[in-house]
Amino acid sequence: EAGVAQSPRYKIIEKRQSVAFWCNPISGHATLYWYQQILGQGPKLLIQFQNNGVVDDSQLPKDRFSAERLKGVDSTLKIQPAKLEDSAVYLCASSPIDRAYGYTFGSGTRLTVV
Amino acid sequence: KQEVTQIPAALSVPEGENLVLNCSFTDSAIYNLQWFRQDPGKGLTSLLLIQSSQREQTSGRLNASLDKSSGRSTLYIAASQPGDSATYLCAVLGSARQLTFGSGTQLTVLP
Repeated sequence: EAGVAQSPRYKIIEKRQSVAFWCNPISGHATLYWYQQILGQGPKLLIQFQNNGVVDDSQLPKDRFSAERLKGVDSTLKIQPAKLEDSAVYLCASSPIDRAYGYTFGSGTRLTVV
Repeated sequence: KQEVTQIPAALSVPEGENLVLNCSFTDSAIYNLQWFRQDPGKGLTSLLLIQSSQREQTSGRLNASLDKSSGRSTLYIAASQPGDSATYLCAVLGSARQLTFGSGTQLTVLP
């Protein structure tokens, strides 16, 4: 089965610019997650979708971050305007509705804000 | 709030050694625990998934154990190889239905 696809792999932007990341989950996986991983730390959940509805966005900095999942499949995560502290790897993951089957992660997008 | 701790933060061993990575979590009400591998600049690759009702899982040279009552898991790597060099992350799926990660153990296997 195809894995979780993410693009781009790398992005360098200046602070105050905007950026968008794209994710295509495993076919049939109802739940999609965006995580932020700062260097040297474990991933932290930003937002969780089930189908095309938001289940948890309590840790999403909503003044600058937004995310959507159209038609319950692909998802985009946007940052506008970016800050230096947003430099991180942004990981997308998906799972079946029953998360007991585990999560599958994409390769991530490494964002550098200069 | 669930907290996951991994010890040690970094480990360097000569090739061929058997080694153990440790993971502890504060809330024992979990659904499962998953071990991941992360190569530099890459995403996470799932290694082993242990359900809360299980005690261990094995895949090749890897064996993961789970003691839910004490809030601990170990990942055992037999006969380590330079290709095993990576960061190993453990994550628990807790009662809030969220996956909580530790900060990882960075493993270097020296040829």
